[in-house]
Amino acid sequence: DAGVIQSPRHEVTEMGQEVTLRCKPISGHNSLFWYRQTMMRGLELLIYFNNNVPIDDSGMPEDRFSAKMPNASFSTLKIQPSEPRDSAVYFCASSSTANTEAFFGQGTRLTVV
Amino acid sequence: AQSVTQLDSQVPVFEEAPVELRCNYSSSVSVYLFWYVQYPNQGLQLLLKYLSGSTLVKGINGFEAEFNKSQTSFHLRKPSVHISDTAEYFCAVSKMDSSYKLIFGSGTRLLVRP
Repeated sequence: DAGVIQSPRHEVTEMGQEVTLRCKPISGHNSLFWYRQTMMRGLELLIYFNNNVPIDDSGMPEDRFSAKMPNASFSTLKIQPSEPRDSAVYFCASSSTANTEAFFGQGTRLTVV
Repeated sequence: AQSVTQLDSQVPVFEEAPVELRCNYSSSVSVYLFWYVQYPNQGLQLLLKYLSGSTLVKGINGFEAEFNKSQTSFHLRKPSVHISDTAEYFCAVSKMDSSYKLIFGSGTRLLVRP
């Protein structure tokens, strides 16, 4: 398996624009996570899906952030409108009961100018 | 709720010296424990995990960690480090359910000098 695949790897956008980050989890995994990494706050869990259903979105910072998982092989994290303080590295991870660990993608480095 | 404390933000050490990275956790329920490593501009890679059983856990790249329930600690050790071990190390916990939803510590940067 190719692992968790995220796209794009880098994104630079202007304040106010919509940004969509994409994630393809490992085939067969039934849990998917979106994390955000910043110098100030470290690694924060934004949202967690199980069997394509959002279970815990308490980490989503505000209404400008939304996440979807239309099927078991794809998820998106959308920021609309984007702000400079959203600049961070966003990681997607997936897991399954059989593996007893979460596997991380390479991350998307988002810069909002 | 769970929380993880990594007291050392940076640990400098000379090549071939031993190293210990400290991790303490707080939780009202039993947890699984993990150490992840992040190399520059990379994702997180699992080093080792404690789920149950022996409290001494061995991982990849010669790392090991010991779970101490009474001290709520899960310190990471390596007897002899290499330059290539320079990276950010994260301790994490998850509740004992099937989600493996991770709560991370703030990370410790290991800097190995020649």
